[in-house]
Amino acid sequence: AQSVTQLDSQVPVFEEAPVELRCNYSSSVSVYLFWYVQYPNQGLQLLLKYLSGSTLVKGINGFEAEFNKSQTSFHLRKPSVHISDTAEYFCAVTYENAGNNRKLIWGLGTSLAVNP
Amino acid sequence: DSGVTQTPKHLITATGQRVTLRCSPRSGDLSVYWYQQSLDQGLQFLIQYYNGEERAKGNILERFSAQQFPDLHSELNLSSLELGDSALYFCASSVDPTSGLYNEQFFGPGTRLTVL
Repeated sequence: AQSVTQLDSQVPVFEEAPVELRCNYSSSVSVYLFWYVQYPNQGLQLLLKYLSGSTLVKGINGFEAEFNKSQTSFHLRKPSVHISDTAEYFCAVTYENAGNNRKLIWGLGTSLAVNP
Repeated sequence: DSGVTQTPKHLITATGQRVTLRCSPRSGDLSVYWYQQSLDQGLQFLIQYYNGEERAKGNILERFSAQQFPDLHSELNLSSLELGDSALYFCASSVDPTSGLYNEQFFGPGTRLTVL
């Protein structure tokens, strides 16, 4: 079965430091990849997505992610974080060969805590 | 604001009771998804409806059921509630999951259910 693994459940980091949140997926078939962000007491919001084309994807709030097919990874990065980036980050995958119905497969989330 | 609305925002009830959560998708979206988010299980896909018909089932308990009405709003019914059902319940919508194209899911703000 397809799965998504977020390798770190919690990532503490100081303000203005760089951060990388790691995500690996299980399948080698064509995939669509997403990062969603959930700020405290809010719903999920799409941060960025990879559908095709350039493997480096830029999203909102200065985040970017790189699709690495050989390593089946889609790690999220930001060169300098702010306190306001404190949130839960979810990696998700949908598989292109899923027929007419694509389900999002979710990772368990990574809690990013930015400290002053 | 994603355009997806959920009511109520908070719900507190007792074990053994039944509740109904309501979701209105974005204008034009035909598909509705329900998710449960709890601390120990993360984000779990429950069920998906497309244009009034059940499309996919995830980890939904038999005590739970859902439907999508002709006006495309959806309700999630939770019965014989247990303490472990306490969670955030999210609804998401997308345009058409069967078109062969990627359709982003837009999430509502969630309903926080507390079972005492």
